[in-house]
Formats: sequence, C-alpha cells, structure tokens
Amino acid sequence: DGGITQSPKYLFRKEGQNVTLSCEQNLNHDAMYWYRQDPGQGLRLIYYSQIVNDFQKGDIAEGYSVSREKKESFPLTVTSAQKNPTAFYLCASRKIGEAGNTIYFGEGSWLTVV
Amino acid sequence: QQQVKQSPQSLIVQKGGISIINCAYENTAFDYFPWYQQFPGKGPALLIAIRPDVSEKKEGRFTISFNKSAKQFSLHIMDSQPGDSATYFCAASIASGNEKLTFGTGTRLTIIP
Repeated sequence: DGGITQSPKYLFRKEGQNVTLSCEQNLNHDAMYWYRQDPGQGLRLIYYSQIVNDFQKGDIAEGYSVSREKKESFPLTVTSAQKNPTAFYLCASRKIGEAGNTIYFGEGSWLTVV
Repeated sequence: QQQVKQSPQSLIVQKGGISIINCAYENTAFDYFPWYQQFPGKGPALLIAIRPDVSEKKEGRFTISFNKSAKQFSLHIMDSQPGDSATYFCAASIASGNEKLTFGTGTRLTIIP
C-alpha cells in the first residue's frame, strides 16, 4: 500500500525534551517536506529536502532539525529550543520532474507539550 | 511575506448552494495553482489544479476559475453537500522548477442542511 506514513499520530512531550517525528514514504519521491499547522495560520514550511543528504530551511526552521540519510525517510526532531511546539505536523513528498508540482501529504502527527 | 492571500477565513453555505473561495497571488512567475481539501485530523489531499493557459477547469462539482491579469483564482463548489465541509487551501508554485508550494491560509467551509 503506497503512501506516506507518519508516526506517532499523537505525542506528548515534557518541556525541555527533544522529540523525533518519523516520516516514511514508499512512493519513490525525490523531495520531502515538513509543515507545521496551527489554527488559522495555514501550513508553514519547516524544512525540505530534494535529495539524499541535503536539506534546506523553510520559513520557520528555528528549533527544528532534520536528516535525510535515505530517500524514503525524512525524520523531524523538535528540539527544546522550539518555544511553542504544540501543533499538528505534516510530512509531504513530491516526485521532481512530474507534471505540475503536486505534493502529497501524510496523515499528520499531533504534538502536545505538557 | 505572504505571497498567496486567501479569503474568506470561514464560510457557511446552505446545502445545495454554491461555495466560493478566492485566492490572490503576487508572484507573476507562478504557473501552477492547486487546491487542497483537508478534513479534521487528516492531511490535505489534492482536489483540483489549474495552469494559467486556461481560464477554467472543472472536475465534477468543483471548478477553478483563473484570472491571469488580476492574479486571482477561485474555487467554486456547486451543489454543496455536508460532506464538503472541510478546510480548503489554495497554493501556487512554479511548475517547471523545484520551487516549493506557497499555501494560502485556508478557508473553513461548513455546509448546513
């Protein structure tokens, strides 16, 4: 069953802790993205990667880190430096060179800081 | 810098009516304009997309209207149904490059009986 798998779906974190959100895709897509969604603010880009071992900061990268060691995996670490990490996190991917610029999203991960 | 402005923020439409959501963009290099539909607790899913070489694209009850000179595009949902209640995002990008999508802020649509 092809698609983008995010885990965990729900995650609770204590203040001061780092947490890592997993994103795996079996679509053979080249580019992968992490977005953060807060109510009323739409989708904001955190980081993106167009090729293995390379990634770029998005609009709100502070307090986050990523790695792209494998084409199919793009984990996001929310560090203790992120001041307001409670949000819905969405991973997405895209096949570079495909007609149009369609990106496909996973089901999302809810992170709550307690 | 918000390059894609979306309105309204929320919209309530009666069942059977027409839902209209508008977006305006600034970057004239944009040439790919998709709309995404998102249900609560789920990831957004591509609904319909348009290129600027046409002024309108229709898929079932969903239609995108595009006005290149005004740098505006809109989503029309005909015969709106309660199952259409969701958040809708417009987006824009340069199709041929590796540019990322720029999203609007979203419209929460509620269809009432």
